[in-house]
Amino acid sequence: DQQVKQNSPSLSVQEGRISILNCDYTNSMFDYFLWYKKYPAEGPTFLISISSIKDKNEDGRFTVFLNKSAKHLSLHIVPSQPGDSAVYFCAASDIYGGATNKLIFGTGTLLAVQP
Amino acid sequence: EPEVTQTPSHQVTQMGQEVILRCVPISNHLYFYWYRQILGQKVEFLVSFYNNEISEKSEIFDDQFSVERPDGSNFTLKIRSTKLEDSAMYFCASGYRGGDTEAFFGQGTRLTVV
Repeated sequence: DQQVKQNSPSLSVQEGRISILNCDYTNSMFDYFLWYKKYPAEGPTFLISISSIKDKNEDGRFTVFLNKSAKHLSLHIVPSQPGDSAVYFCAASDIYGGATNKLIFGTGTLLAVQP
Repeated sequence: EPEVTQTPSHQVTQMGQEVILRCVPISNHLYFYWYRQILGQKVEFLVSFYNNEISEKSEIFDDQFSVERPDGSNFTLKIRSTKLEDSAMYFCASGYRGGDTEAFFGQGTRLTVV
């Protein structure tokens, strides 16, 4: 039951360039989306989120875009830095219809930023 | 900066033994969660806890699992009789409210069942 999908297991980008990580979802009840970053042996760290009433949210180098009709969101990192190298998880939640805002995670994309 | 802390960082246990994983959520948070990640797989929701009771649990969270907030600061996950397939990273998370806000995760406990 893959309600949240990240179809690219890995991505390699040159330092200074843009990194684009993609995520698709199937459950139309999802109304809140988040991106987490994870280093080995650490827990996920929150990066940025977006509500379904918006189509874009920006925070510094990170921008998340949401296309509800396509059930697709993406995370843009610009410029990419070597310290951004990590696994990025897309997560979704049904905050208004669900009992709690549990997160449904994608499988993650390993981003490698080459110096 | 406040953070969620988990102990131990690594637990090795014999199959059939009971284990308790411990978490100290961020102090003013009201919603508490356990997630797990089996090696090579995605992070999966186990259970959420609010107002001193379970508010939602996944199908993974069967009768072998229980959670407790015994003293208002700690939040524990107990597995009564561990199985080999319980081997995973277990993450505790907490959030201030249940709406449009992020959950903060601990660094995880690696449980190895042998």
